[in-house]
Amino acid sequence: LAKTTQPISMDSYEGQEVNITCSHNNIATNDYITWYQQFPSQGPRFIIQGYKTKVTNEVASLFIPADRKSSTLSLPRVSLSDTAVYYCLVATYSSASKIIFGSGTRLSIRP
Amino acid sequence: ETGVTQSPTHLIKTRGQQVTLRCSSQSGHNTVSWYQQALGQGPQFIFQYYREEENGRGNFPPRFSGLQFPNYSSELNVNALELDDSALYLCASSLAGGSTGANTGELFFGEGSRLTVL
Repeated sequence: LAKTTQPISMDSYEGQEVNITCSHNNIATNDYITWYQQFPSQGPRFIIQGYKTKVTNEVASLFIPADRKSSTLSLPRVSLSDTAVYYCLVATYSSASKIIFGSGTRLSIRP
Repeated sequence: ETGVTQSPTHLIKTRGQQVTLRCSSQSGHNTVSWYQQALGQGPQFIFQYYREEENGRGNFPPRFSGLQFPNYSSELNVNALELDDSALYLCASSLAGGSTGANTGELFFGEGSRLTVL
């Protein structure tokens, strides 16, 4: 299973665009990249998932270069409520799914 | 709201005791996975159940066991509790398909059960 590396923490301000990059050098052909958001004392919440190129939904965009060795979660115009821990996961969702969360990136948004 | 409910929300046990945590998955989901999250750390995968059978397991000892019922709800049992078992236990449901239980990896988590072992 691919190991992921993310910054431990990031700070930004309301209204800014925030980009969190995750490295996964050993990603396998069948691996997908998924990002989750977690608030204190709550379960993680699915944000976005991709395999290659760019994926966009109503809350975020995910950019994946051609070599797939990294990915970038982009949060447009963040607000205070986006303060949370963000996890990047790389996993093959096969019958023996084994999903490994890293330590995550603690994002702090200031007024 | 993910539709995944866990019980109890909080509980306190003493070392050596046994605990059972319960999870009701989101309607239509057939796969349940369990995670242990210590304070300040990411969730650690314990195991996953698909069609009432365990089909994936993390690095946890056998005293961590589980069940999945025909209605896809699940239990996590931990025997001989140790102090280090104190953590938030998260349950996630998802929809898997095929004979091998492949799924998209979009997990829906409950709010967790906070276990304190004294």
